[in-house]
Amino acid sequence: DAKTTQPNSMESNEEEPVHLPCNHSTISGTDYIHWYRQLPSQGPEYVIHGLTSNVNNRMASLAIAEDRKSSTLILHRATLRDAAVYYCILTNYGQNFVFGPGTRLSVLP
Amino acid sequence: DSGVTQTPKHLITATGQRVTLRCSPRSGDLSVYWYQQSLDQGLQFLIQYYNGEERAKGNILERFSAQQFPDLHSELNLSSLELGDSALYFCASSASTSGPYNEQFFGPGTRLTVL
Repeated sequence: DAKTTQPNSMESNEEEPVHLPCNHSTISGTDYIHWYRQLPSQGPEYVIHGLTSNVNNRMASLAIAEDRKSSTLILHRATLRDAAVYYCILTNYGQNFVFGPGTRLSVLP
Repeated sequence: DSGVTQTPKHLITATGQRVTLRCSPRSGDLSVYWYQQSLDQGLQFLIQYYNGEERAKGNILERFSAQQFPDLHSELNLSSLELGDSALYFCASSASTSGPYNEQFFGPGTRLTVL
């Protein structure tokens, strides 16, 4: 399975942008990059996904490096509700989800 | 609310016992996934069913089994329970089995405690 590496934890101040990095140097051409997050005491929830181009949705933006070996999840204005564990996952066309340890994001008021 | 329901929310049992966890997927979703989340192992994929048939297998122990019924609900059976089986068990569902837009929707989980 393709692997990703993320920092164990990050901190942000409320209402500031947050950039969550993910390295996936062994990504293959058919691997999609998915981001999920897990709020405290809840199951994971989908955030965003992409293949090659940068993506935006109502929750976040995904910036993908030109060589696709890394990506960054961008939360434009962090709120206290965004405190969660963020998982960067590579899938083979949406299959074979492998969750790593993720990045625990703390948001300070 | 993801639309995925899991019962029970909490389960406390003893070593050596057998339990059944139940999951109802979102309306219209054909795929069901089971995950185990423990403190030291993170979120581990166990097994996937699609429209009643086993589709993919992950790190599922032989003591564990699952099935998906014609009404698409799924059950995860855990037998000969050990202390190390204590964990949160999540069920997720998705519309199909592949594709980049095959978003998984997770239920609230069942917390299993084995004493």
